[in-house]
Amino acid sequence: GQQVQQSPTSLVLQEGENAELQCNFSTSLNSMQWFYQRPGGSLISVFYNPSGTKQSGRLTSTTVIKERRSSLHISSSQITDSGTYLCAMEPSGSWQLIFGSGTQLTVMP
Amino acid sequence: EAGVTQSPRYAVLQEGQAVSFWCDPISGHDTLYWYQQPRDQGPQLLVYFRDEAVIDNSQLPSDRFSAVRPKGTNSTLKIQSAKQGDTATYLCASSLGVAEQFFGPGTRLTVL
Repeated sequence: GQQVQQSPTSLVLQEGENAELQCNFSTSLNSMQWFYQRPGGSLISVFYNPSGTKQSGRLTSTTVIKERRSSLHISSSQITDSGTYLCAMEPSGSWQLIFGSGTQLTVMP
Repeated sequence: EAGVTQSPRYAVLQEGQAVSFWCDPISGHDTLYWYQQPRDQGPQLLVYFRDEAVIDNSQLPSDRFSAVRPKGTNSTLKIQSAKQGDTATYLCASSLGVAEQFFGPGTRLTVL
């Protein structure tokens, strides 16, 4: 089965609403990253989050390694937040990243 | 500080043709990764290096794909005889040891 389960697959918000994106991991992990990607664009690292909570502006990431889960909270969404958010885990004993399928976020005016 | 750079940005081939992708990692980063990202999917690791050594190439289709990093800096990924199923974006990333990975802009490959 898939090692990284990401939800929801897609999400449509009105500008100003909050969003909560989830990732669950089926194996033990050293760390994880959240990425943002526009269509046809490169992967932009949003958070590198081995464990705990990190905040950057309107974005907050919380990772609980023991429970194999991570979330990304977007507050007061803006149209420019639209795009795909991908989570990725670094499995224990490996340096590679294993990615989820992504959440496609659309923020409407 | 310059980020990860890749070239070319786009490539369009007929089936059976060969193509090479080039990556220049962030200066000082010892670990370099190549990922394949099919359309509307997450990236999947093909191969990664620490310095000039291949650490894991188990997911690299060895009959047609090859990757090298001869001096532990720049890297080249080559597809010998492209197939339509190779259509994807090829992403290069680098890191300093086991740490945050930084990605380049990618090369979008279309095989007709």
